[in-house]
Amino acid sequence: KQEVTQIPAALSVPEGENLVLNCSFTDSAIYNLQWFRQDPGKGLTSLLLIQSSQREQTSGRLNASLDKSSGRSTLYIAASQPGDSATYLCAVRPHTGTASKLTFGTGTRLQVTL
Amino acid sequence: GAGVSQSPSNKVTEKGKDVELRCDPISGHTALYWYRQRLGQGLEFLIYFQGNSAPDKSGLPSDRFSAERTGESVSTLTIQRTQQEDSAVYLCASSLAASGGYNEQFFGPGTRLTVL
Repeated sequence: KQEVTQIPAALSVPEGENLVLNCSFTDSAIYNLQWFRQDPGKGLTSLLLIQSSQREQTSGRLNASLDKSSGRSTLYIAASQPGDSATYLCAVRPHTGTASKLTFGTGTRLQVTL
Repeated sequence: GAGVSQSPSNKVTEKGKDVELRCDPISGHTALYWYRQRLGQGLEFLIYFQGNSAPDKSGLPSDRFSAERTGESVSTLTIQRTQQEDSAVYLCASSLAASGGYNEQFFGPGTRLTVL
């Protein structure tokens, strides 16, 4: 059974810092990995999707890397801003069959302070 | 264009009552998913629909839970005889397809269900 772990569970940084969020998964047979942010009382916003054949994806100040063989992904946020405060979730999609259901980590709650 | 919408945004019910939650996916998205997020826990997959194929119900926690989808549009998640442990945020997502490179999932705002 796939298990997804995110470390740290919570993180507080001052504005302007670069930071890294970690995601690890136990079964490397994945189709892709997706990073989301979740704001309180709201749904999930997709940030980046990395296919299993890719090593990284970039969008603005965000960069996500994937090392499938070691079961790890990182989300790098450059020059953090207070508006980045949210819970960040990673989720993996299994490679086998047609299953598209995502297995989620429990998230990293990020607070960017002024 | 419009994203995934869900209604109601909040629902408070008494233990033992039935509830229906609604999801409107993004137009043209053939795949639709339901997840549950209990307080302090990660999202749990419940069920997914792909076109006219039989739904994958493997995540439904009990036979009190059921879901339907009309064609490739609206879906309803029904919880019968609600229990307090059903209290959670129920999230719906849709994707262009379930397989291939078009399966990025887009989520709705969720329905917060509270069972008293």
